[in-house]
Amino acid sequence: KAGVTQTPRYLIKTRGQQVTLSCSPISGHRSVSWYQQTPGQGLQFLFEYFSETQRNKGNFPGRFSGRQFSNSRSEMNVSTLELGDSALYLCASSWSGLSTDTQYFGPGTRLTVL
Amino acid sequence: AQRVTQPEKLLSVFKGAPVELKCNYSYSGSPELFWYVQYSRQRLQLLLRHISRESIKGFTADLNKGETSFHLKKPFAQEEDSAMYYCALKGQAAGNKLTFGGGTRVLVKP
Repeated sequence: KAGVTQTPRYLIKTRGQQVTLSCSPISGHRSVSWYQQTPGQGLQFLFEYFSETQRNKGNFPGRFSGRQFSNSRSEMNVSTLELGDSALYLCASSWSGLSTDTQYFGPGTRLTVL
Repeated sequence: AQRVTQPEKLLSVFKGAPVELKCNYSYSGSPELFWYVQYSRQRLQLLLRHISRESIKGFTADLNKGETSFHLKKPFAQEEDSAMYYCALKGQAAGNKLTFGGGTRVLVKP
């Protein structure tokens, strides 16, 4: 099976712009989660989608949003970018999203905000 | 609230020496505990999980509910074990949300 893929792999934006990141889960996986990784805060959970519904949300401002499509692909959007949004954004997929599920991670999208 | 603490940011050991990575957690219920590893230029991948009770690449981890710990151990470190290791927790009520520790970088010297 092909692994989790994320596009684009690298992005450079300026403050105030918005950005959309995409994640394609492993075939058959219905749960997609997003994480932000920074040197200072480490890995932090953003949100999880399952069957097109947001099921769980982390402690991030409303500028961070996401959605999931009927084919389980997911996008996350960050509006009004700030310098502090520079990070590696990881997506992970799993079959059902149960706590016993294993999550498989993508390679990440590195976002740089100038 | 759930929290994971990895007290060591860096562990440097010689090849063949034992290595132990500490992980402590706080969670009021029965958590699922995981160890993830990230080798250089590779994606984050699952190393092992406590419910599997298996040894992967020579690593083992035991969940100690009394001490709320899930330390990762390997008796004889190899150079290819050099990587970043993350301990993570999933709470029963938190669906698929993983709470990660800050990570421990392991450097195995020849």
